[in-house]
Amino acid sequence: SYELTQPPSVSVSPGQTASITCSGEKLGDNFASWYQQKPGQSPVLVIYQDNKRPSGIPERFSGSNSGNTATLTISGTQTMDEADYYCQAWDSSNGIFGGGTKLTVL
Amino acid sequence: QVQLVQSGAEVKTPGASVKVSCKASGYTFTDHYIHWVRQAPGQGLEWVGWINPNSGGTNYAQTFQGWVTMTRDTSISTASMELSRLRSDDTAVYYCARSIRDHYYMDVWGKGTTVTVSS
Repeated sequence: SYELTQPPSVSVSPGQTASITCSGEKLGDNFASWYQQKPGQSPVLVIYQDNKRPSGIPERFSGSNSGNTATLTISGTQTMDEADYYCQAWDSSNGIFGGGTKLTVL
Repeated sequence: QVQLVQSGAEVKTPGASVKVSCKASGYTFTDHYIHWVRQAPGQGLEWVGWINPNSGGTNYAQTFQGWVTMTRDTSISTASMELSRLRSDDTAVYYCARSIRDHYYMDVWGKGTTVTVSS
């Protein structure tokens, strides 16, 4: 079955750039989405169709997807960005989520 | 504003069934698919399936085929998900979310419904 692999954790200092990767076979052939989830809250869409930002999502969030890897980049990371991040894609008719990455800002 | 309001928490015994609902407001219910995603305690997100509120058509993840049923009632803009033969490892928060097309990103999420399965 298709799998998406993310690093369990990423740490970044405030103001620096955080990059979270998501790997899957030929992932670049499909659209990737990214969701942010803070403790006790529902997921929030932050990137869709590889690199598009929904209304209300800060410009510091960006995405790319090529080959086997999709990447979520947060420029000028703020403490409010500390959260779990999940990538998501479709394999045929199945929705697949990555295992999630805990972003720590310290 | 666009909202998905889910039903309240449930506590069930193993072997029972549970039905969780998701009421849409602020948009045309039949214009968007409704997905269900679950999250076990301390774990990641797991896609369960979707329903097309317009046609009633469904698509379930292979893991859940045979024991999940998704329905909708367009008269009250509500989608529902029923899980049968519950086990303790079905304990999770169940989210509904909408997308404009079937295999597409989910742009609005409900707050989640906690289902606890315990004897």
